[in-house]
Amino acid sequence: AQSVAQPEDQVNVAEGNPLTVKCTYSVSGNPYLFWYVQYPNRGLQFLLKYITGDNLVKGSYGFEAEFNKSQTSFHLKKPSALVSDSALYFCAVRDLAGGSYIPTFGRGTSLIVHP
Amino acid sequence: EAGVAQSPRYKIIEKRQSVAFWCNPISGHATLYWYQQILGQGPKLLIQFQNNGVVDDSQLPKDRFSAERLKGVDSTLKIQPAKLEDSAVYLCASSLDSRDNTGELFFGEGSRLTVL
Repeated sequence: AQSVAQPEDQVNVAEGNPLTVKCTYSVSGNPYLFWYVQYPNRGLQFLLKYITGDNLVKGSYGFEAEFNKSQTSFHLKKPSALVSDSALYFCAVRDLAGGSYIPTFGRGTSLIVHP
Repeated sequence: EAGVAQSPRYKIIEKRQSVAFWCNPISGHATLYWYQQILGQGPKLLIQFQNNGVVDDSQLPKDRFSAERLKGVDSTLKIQPAKLEDSAVYLCASSLDSRDNTGELFFGEGSRLTVL
């Protein structure tokens, strides 16, 4: 069965500093990986995805993520954090070979960017 | 392009009462999902439709939860009778086609349920 782990409940970073939100996954085949962001009292919004090809994926709002197959990780990154980046971030996976098309989400990481 | 519409945004009921949530997906999206998001947790899939057929409902508590998508467009999720542990945000999402694993999901703003 596919699963996603986000080991940090909360990440704190100062505005202007680089940020990393961690995600590891477990699948039986090749993974399709996604990051979503959730602002207070809103639904989830798609940020970026890895399907195949270049391990560094660029997405919305200056975010990028690096796929690392050997470490089964898909960490979200941004070179310079903004206060407006403060939100909940969810990693999700869809397993290509498992026969299941169900997107599975991690428990989320709260990102707090301090002025 | 209009997004995923959900109603009501907020609902407060007492335990053992019933409640229904409505969702209208993005036009042309064949796949519709209902997720339950309990405070502090990630979204948990309740049911997934492809057009008007059920793809997966393995995590739907069928003794009290039901969902339908009769004409393959909008959908209703019902809880009857509600329990305290059903307090959560119910998220509806849609995607072009669940047979395409590369597609991202588009979410509505959610319906927040409080059971007293």
